[in-house]
Amino acid sequence: RKEVEQDPGPFNVPEGATVAFNCTYSNSASQSFFWYRQDCRKEPKLLMSVYSSGNEDGRFTAQLNRASQYISLLIRDSKLSDSATYLCVVNRRYSTLTFGKGTMLLVSP
Amino acid sequence: NAGVTQTPKFQVLKTGQSMTLQCAQDMNHEYMSWYRQDPGMGLRLIHYSVGAGITDQGEVPNGYNVSRSTTEDFPLRLLSAAPSQTSVYFCASSYGGGSSYNEQFFGPGTRLTVL
Repeated sequence: RKEVEQDPGPFNVPEGATVAFNCTYSNSASQSFFWYRQDCRKEPKLLMSVYSSGNEDGRFTAQLNRASQYISLLIRDSKLSDSATYLCVVNRRYSTLTFGKGTMLLVSP
Repeated sequence: NAGVTQTPKFQVLKTGQSMTLQCAQDMNHEYMSWYRQDPGMGLRLIHYSVGAGITDQGEVPNGYNVSRSTTEDFPLRLLSAAPSQTSVYFCASSYGGGSSYNEQFFGPGTRLTVL
């Protein structure tokens, strides 16, 4: 089983749609979880951390289920500017990271 | 602050050539890392450092060397380039701080092609 697995993409959605990304991780000892965003041919950038209680940042909601080793990201009211690849990321030690392969999101007018 | 800088942006090598990818940060971060990103593979950790003089291997260290003589710089050396090392290389840095996670900041990447 891969350390971090994500939904295969791409996801094609119209503007205004709600889209959900799912992710599972294999190491039950993992402590920290994140969603990163990567635009085409650019570096990854932190979108949001994921906390056990769930957390929200504007149109973005992240959830963590430690028992199922499952992470999710919900994007509401999709914008054209949300088009990117979304990376599910788990912290290793010393702040190094394990990345999922990413899911591409394409938002169309 | 310039953040994390990487040079060169693009490089083409022939098999067997050596080169050094440069990475520098001006945020006084203790932790620095190198990742490579290949199509369909996601980012994978090559080497990392938790401070000047201290480095360790990641998932895919073979064919690469690193050293960390200063806090600011963390160069990645390819000793004898192979086509399998064709990839996009990202350097990242973060503030230290024990076992707590601190946000990693990535450089813009170096796109390397080995012929």
